[in-house]
Amino acid sequence: KQEVTQIPAALSVPEGENLVLNCSFTDSAIYNLQWFRQDPGKGLTSLLLIQSSQREQTSGRLNASLDKSSGRSTLYIAASQPGDSATYLCAVDTGANSKLTFGKGITLSVRP
Amino acid sequence: ETGVTQTPRHLVMGMTNKKSLKCEQHLGHNAMYWYKQSAKKPLELMFVYSLEERVENNSVPSRFSPECPNSSHLFLHLHTLQPEDSALYLCASSQDRGAHYGYTFGSGTRLTVV
Repeated sequence: KQEVTQIPAALSVPEGENLVLNCSFTDSAIYNLQWFRQDPGKGLTSLLLIQSSQREQTSGRLNASLDKSSGRSTLYIAASQPGDSATYLCAVDTGANSKLTFGKGITLSVRP
Repeated sequence: ETGVTQTPRHLVMGMTNKKSLKCEQHLGHNAMYWYKQSAKKPLELMFVYSLEERVENNSVPSRFSPECPNSSHLFLHLHTLQPEDSALYLCASSQDRGAHYGYTFGSGTRLTVV
């Protein structure tokens, strides 16, 4: 059974800092990994999707990497801003029928 | 808007009420999903529909009843719920079930059962 872990559960950093959010998964047989952002009480916004054949994806200040063999992914946020404060969720797609398994998320607070 | 629209955004219902959640997508996707998000827990998959056919039911109690009349619309009918059913209910869609091109989520319905 696939399990996705995100540690720590919460993180607070000063504005301008570069930071890395970690995600680990137990079964390396994945099709892709997707990072989402969730603001309080809101739905999920897709940030980056990395297919299993890819090593990284970039969008603006965000860069996500994938090491399938070690079961790890990182989301790098450059020059963090207070507007980046949210919960960041990692989800892996496994199985022929698109089984999406989520981590519990990392709640990020960027202090002005 | 993400392309997946959910209504209502908030819902308060008594345990004896009957209500429905609605989800609509105009992305041309063929698969739609209901997820439940409770506090301090990962998102839980409830139901999967592919081409309007229910293909998965993750041991969800019968007080939750999904309906998919066409590939663009998905409903979740609720009746005789319990307070522990209070949660954020999220709808999602994907191009095809098994296509592995990622998911698009709606903004969710915050449900409170009193």
